[in-house]
Amino acid sequence: GENVEQHPSTLSVQEGDSAVIKCTYSDSASNYFPWYKQELGKRPQLIIDIRSNVGEKKDQRIAVTLNKTAKHFSLHITETQPEDSAVYFCAAEAGGFKTIFGAGTRLFVKA
Amino acid sequence: DAGVIQSPRHEVTEMGQEVTLRCKPISGHNSLFWYRQTMMRGLELLIYFNNNVPIDDSGMPEDRFSAKMPNASFSTLKIQPSEPRDSAVYFCASRWDTEAFFGQGTRLTVV
Repeated sequence: GENVEQHPSTLSVQEGDSAVIKCTYSDSASNYFPWYKQELGKRPQLIIDIRSNVGEKKDQRIAVTLNKTAKHFSLHITETQPEDSAVYFCAAEAGGFKTIFGAGTRLFVKA
Repeated sequence: DAGVIQSPRHEVTEMGQEVTLRCKPISGHNSLFWYRQTMMRGLELLIYFNNNVPIDDSGMPEDRFSAKMPNASFSTLKIQPSEPRDSAVYFCASRWDTEAFFGQGTRLTVV
């Protein structure tokens, strides 16, 4: 069945450094790739997304890249700040609204 | 709009009891999702509805779980009988286009 693998499970960076989270997906029909951020004790919230007809998308300090051939997509956070500390989930969707989430990456940004 | 509203926020129940979780989606959203979140398994899609019709319930773990959406503004997830391994945070989410808006979640503890 459909599967989304996410790495690393935990990431610790120094404030100001960059953080990269990587995901792979199995369903070649996937065409929509959202990223959600979940702060401790709160709900997941969409932070950025990318469609399969685009290779890269940026929004201020965050960017996503997509390699459809390799079925890889990544989240890049530059100039990390303590408030970036959270769990980040990648996801893949092949249409029909069935979104499959990765296991999550717990990001710690040390001040 | 108040967003997706879930009730109760916390539920503690004894093994064997029936549990009903409730969700009010954002008005105008035509898709509704139930997710379960645990440390071990991450965010799992249990079931989703489109225009009040269940589309995919392949994530529902067992017959003890059932979900209904009698109208566009209300959905329930029922567990009967509940077991300790059902303890988790249950999220409801709704969407109209691509972004899924999550409720605050119900933290269920079965003792």
